[in-house]
Amino acid sequence: EVQLLESGGGLVQPGGSLRLSCAASGFTFSSYTMSWVRQVPGKGLEWVSGISGSGGSTKYADSVKGRFTISRDNSKNTLYLQMNSLRAEDTAVYYCAERPGYYFGYWGQGTLVTVSS
Amino acid sequence: QTVVTQEPSFSVSPGETVTLTCGLSSGSVSTSNYPSWYQQTPGQAPRTLIYTTNTRSSGVPDRFSGSILGNKAALTITGAQADDESDYYCVLYMGSGISVFGTGTKVTVL
Repeated sequence: EVQLLESGGGLVQPGGSLRLSCAASGFTFSSYTMSWVRQVPGKGLEWVSGISGSGGSTKYADSVKGRFTISRDNSKNTLYLQMNSLRAEDTAVYYCAERPGYYFGYWGQGTLVTVSS
Repeated sequence: QTVVTQEPSFSVSPGETVTLTCGLSSGSVSTSNYPSWYQQTPGQAPRTLIYTTNTRSSGVPDRFSGSILGNKAALTITGAQADDESDYYCVLYMGSGISVFGTGTKVTVL
């Protein structure tokens, strides 16, 4: 059974940093592109970032480019999102998702990030 | 900036058919955008319904179907049921590893 478990969310002040993790199990992690998707409470979904199976290729939404860094450790079956220079508008539930093709397959349950003073 | 548009809301009676659409602010949606569809209920993670235009994800009932209608992607629910009441999002692949979510449609079954 595929499982994706996010962690690392919480309350952080504007300008601060946070690192999210997503522990994966039940599939060959290193074979799949992985993504982060976020959702402002009560609003729609927004693709944030993606990383290839090897980690050699990364992509970012314009809204986070230069502030967020996606990475992965295939030996630990874990995906990361390093978030720096956080803003109030980054407040959201962050989901990790497996990406078997041009779509999102399995999803984690999400972790809430709140940026507030 | 690419905007992917969906109807804000639909109301449907149980047993009726409803078609949701997913369009581009400029241009047409094609199979090369690999449209996919997701269902989300409040407080839950999204669930994948349809990918690559019309392939149902594992375990998804066959009352859900995907297609291209004119210049948009479409999700049709044939014979809506009460537990289909959810938010529905489309995703379009724009190339170069970039995907864009639609604005979402809230479906009410009453």
